Amino acid sequence: AQRVTQPEKLLSVFKGAPVELKCNYSYSGSPELFWYVQYSRQRLQLLLRHISRESIKGFTADLNKGETSFHLKKPFAQEEDSAMYYCALSHSSGSRLTFGEGTQLTVNP
Amino acid sequence: EPEVTQTPSHQVTQMGQEVILRCVPISNHLYFYWYRQILGQKVEFLVSFYNNEISEKSEIFDDQFSVERPDGSNFTLKIRSTKLEDSAMYFCASSEWGWSQETQYFGPGTRLLVL
Repeated sequence: AQRVTQPEKLLSVFKGAPVELKCNYSYSGSPELFWYVQYSRQRLQLLLRHISRESIKGFTADLNKGETSFHLKKPFAQEEDSAMYYCALSHSSGSRLTFGEGTQLTVNP
Repeated sequence: EPEVTQTPSHQVTQMGQEVILRCVPISNHLYFYWYRQILGQKVEFLVSFYNNEISEKSEIFDDQFSVERPDGSNFTLKIRSTKLEDSAMYFCASSEWGWSQETQYFGPGTRLLVL
């Protein structure tokens, strides 16, 4: 069965500091990995997905199949990055998303 | 930009009552989903729906739950006889083709409280 783990419930950094939100997964097949974000009082929305290999709002994430990880990184955090971040996995035989527990990121001024 | 909408935003009901949660997916999308998030817990998949049929469902989605596309725009989740443990935020989502690498677009959610 697929599983996504985000070990940090809360993460607090100062503006301008690097940030890394951890995500590990277990899945026997070939997973599709995503990061979704929920800003305060807004809906869940896609931040980025591994297949696109893009940088969104300065965030990047690399799929490491050896370590079964998909950590989200940003070199210089901004206050507007404060939000709840969810790592999610979709298995190749369907499109249901399995979510991690979420990490609440707070970027302090 | 088109968005998924959900009504109501909040619903309070008595245990044992039926509730219907409504969603309007993005108009050209073919796959629809329901997820729920119990307070303090993960977002969990309930069901996906395509071409007027359930495509996948989780073990949570038992006989108490049903989904329907009653017309060309609405997508509903019915809970037949609510239990206290059904209290949660319910999210509707839609995607264009239902492919595993596709973005799912989420609605704002309906907060259900069962008393």
